[in-house]
Amino acid sequence: AQSVTQLGSHVSVSEGALVLLRCNYSSSVPPYLFWYVQYPNQGLQLLLKYTSAATLVKGINGFEAEFKKSETSFHLTKPSAHMSDAAEYFCAVSTGGGNKLTFGTGTQLKVEL
Amino acid sequence: NAGVTQTPKFRVLKTGQSMTLLCAQDMNHEYMYWYRQDPGMGLRLIHYSVGEGTTAKGEVPDGYNVSRLKKQNFLLGLESAAPSQTSVYFCASSYLAGAYEQYFGPGTRLTVT
Repeated sequence: AQSVTQLGSHVSVSEGALVLLRCNYSSSVPPYLFWYVQYPNQGLQLLLKYTSAATLVKGINGFEAEFKKSETSFHLTKPSAHMSDAAEYFCAVSTGGGNKLTFGTGTQLKVEL
Repeated sequence: NAGVTQTPKFRVLKTGQSMTLLCAQDMNHEYMYWYRQDPGMGLRLIHYSVGEGTTAKGEVPDGYNVSRLKKQNFLLGLESAAPSQTSVYFCASSYLAGAYEQYFGPGTRLTVT
């Protein structure tokens, strides 16, 4: 079985501050991990994914995430928040083969002036 | 490429009515999925398909049926709508499962009164 926990359903940061969105996963086999972003009234789009190559993964819009097996974590970071980053972010896990994605419950990011 | 498209964008139904949501993809993807998104619950998989002519149940299949007669289309049906089916429905597709990302449509907002 696989599962994802996103700590903090709402995160608020100031523009220019560090963004840190937390994701912990549970998986009995090596996982594939994804971060998706959803802007208001839109579908989800991929920010980045981990597929067992480099543990530090860089994505679009300046986001990156680090896979830490010992901590079963895949936290999303961005050094400097921009107003356009305000959106909902979803972490998801897949364990390959015919298994599907399991999503976390999402974190709403608010960016304040 | 249009990617993944969904029809309709909005729909209001009365309890007991039926309807079909249409999803189409032009990326020649094998896998297609239907999710529902409810506040605080992330995305939950309703049904999915691993190829033309195949369908399988996801996490929350009750009250829904699906068909995939053509590779590019995936239909979601509600035979007798209930207020508990009020939600935003997303279709997605992927080349395969596992490490492959899913591409999402823009969503259908369904209200059942």
